[in-house]
Amino acid sequence: AQKVTQAQTEISVVEKEDVTLDCVYETRDTTYYLFWYKQPPSGELVFLIRRNSFDEQNEISGRYSWNFQKSTSSFNFTITASQVVDSAVYFCAQTPRFGNEKLTFGTGTRLTIIP
Amino acid sequence: DAGVIQSPRHEVTEMGQEVTLRCKPISGHDYLFWYRQTMMRGLELLIYFNNNVPIDDSGMPEDRFSAKMPNASFSTLKIQPSEPRDSAVYFCASSYTSGGAKADTQYFGPGTRLTVL
Repeated sequence: AQKVTQAQTEISVVEKEDVTLDCVYETRDTTYYLFWYKQPPSGELVFLIRRNSFDEQNEISGRYSWNFQKSTSSFNFTITASQVVDSAVYFCAQTPRFGNEKLTFGTGTRLTIIP
Repeated sequence: DAGVIQSPRHEVTEMGQEVTLRCKPISGHDYLFWYRQTMMRGLELLIYFNNNVPIDDSGMPEDRFSAKMPNASFSTLKIQPSEPRDSAVYFCASSYTSGGAKADTQYFGPGTRLTVL
């Protein structure tokens, strides 16, 4: 069975600071997918990134970057120069084998950016 | 491109009533998922379909819940009879398996907020 742990329940930072959201996963599968989703105050779930277990390359997209380390079973998310619009709940999630299966979500990290 | 469409966006009903939630997946997607979000249990999968066939319904809470997918562009989640503990946000998501950068990724609808009084 999969398990995703987001130990940080809530984080508050002042605007323009960098912030890292932690995600630790557990799985017995050799092939799996990892995801990050954003849930803004409006409530929808917005896809941010997908990584498969064979691709440990870090990724950068604008102010967002992701660090995937199989050795520590972590898939951390960093926001650089945070903005008020980044305020949301962020979920890390995992699927076994393929992305088109059950998503197991972490409990989420509520990020508040203070202007 | 239109995203996943869910209706209604909000539903308030009384205990014992039947509730039907609707979902239209993204055109061309062959997987459809129903999730539920509550404060106590977080986000959890209820059921998912592939090519209109239910694949895994182990997350469906009990017999009061049922889901159907009569065709590739429509699915329903029905609760009968509804109970206050069914109050939650219900999300529908869809995905596809063809190759490409967007494959194997579940895209979510805006959700239906259900309140059972």
